[in-house]
Amino acid sequence: HLSESGGGLVHPGGSLRLSCAASGFIFSNYAMNWVRRAPGRGLEWVSSLTSSGGSTDYAGSVKGRFIISRDNSKNVLYLQMNSLTAEDTALYYCAKDYSWTPRGTMDVWGQGTTVTVSS
Amino acid sequence: QSALTQPASVSESPGQSITISCTGTINDVGGYDYVSWYQHHPGRAPRLLIYDVSIRPSGVSNRYSGSKSAYTASLTISGLQAEDEADYYCTSHSNNSPHVLLGGGTKLTVL
Repeated sequence: HLSESGGGLVHPGGSLRLSCAASGFIFSNYAMNWVRRAPGRGLEWVSSLTSSGGSTDYAGSVKGRFIISRDNSKNVLYLQMNSLTAEDTALYYCAKDYSWTPRGTMDVWGQGTTVTVSS
Repeated sequence: QSALTQPASVSESPGQSITISCTGTINDVGGYDYVSWYQHHPGRAPRLLIYDVSIRPSGVSNRYSGSKSAYTASLTISGLQAEDEADYYCTSHSNNSPHVLLGGGTKLTVL
């Protein structure tokens, strides 16, 4: 089970931190991902990290602005989002990968948290 | 523009079959068997249908099947039902960064 939180309304240029609480599986064994869906658009993979958090990866559209991290002692995944623009407005999902390293196979998904960037 | 190419839309009548393609390169779809397919009804969480090209997770109907040839993976849905109307996405591992590629999505309409 995955449960996202931290979404909300933020002004352009602002920051927000999303959290994803995991339960029901050994969180520290699996890579994790953030995927978003903007209004009227398709799913977009945003970021992923390995089970240890030692290796991270980002979509070009967020690289340099977003930071993915995890706390395996608390079973929580994070996404720190900085320099937000209207293009970042979306429903953000966290998703568990089936491997310790991201393979793009996401077998458990949260319900999502909405981020709206607007003045 | 997505790194994996899918048709924007497909449509078919109930009871028929459709196939959705997902085309990549030797660095992703053609080089690895880490291709997955997802069903997404807007407003719900995406659902994993197929992983490792052709494996169905427990609980997924055998009406869904996956395959791959060269740089193109395919999802086939047989015996179309009204509830199959949704958006479908493929993903693949890539040996270049970013290492997770997501297709642009295909909107399936069941007529």
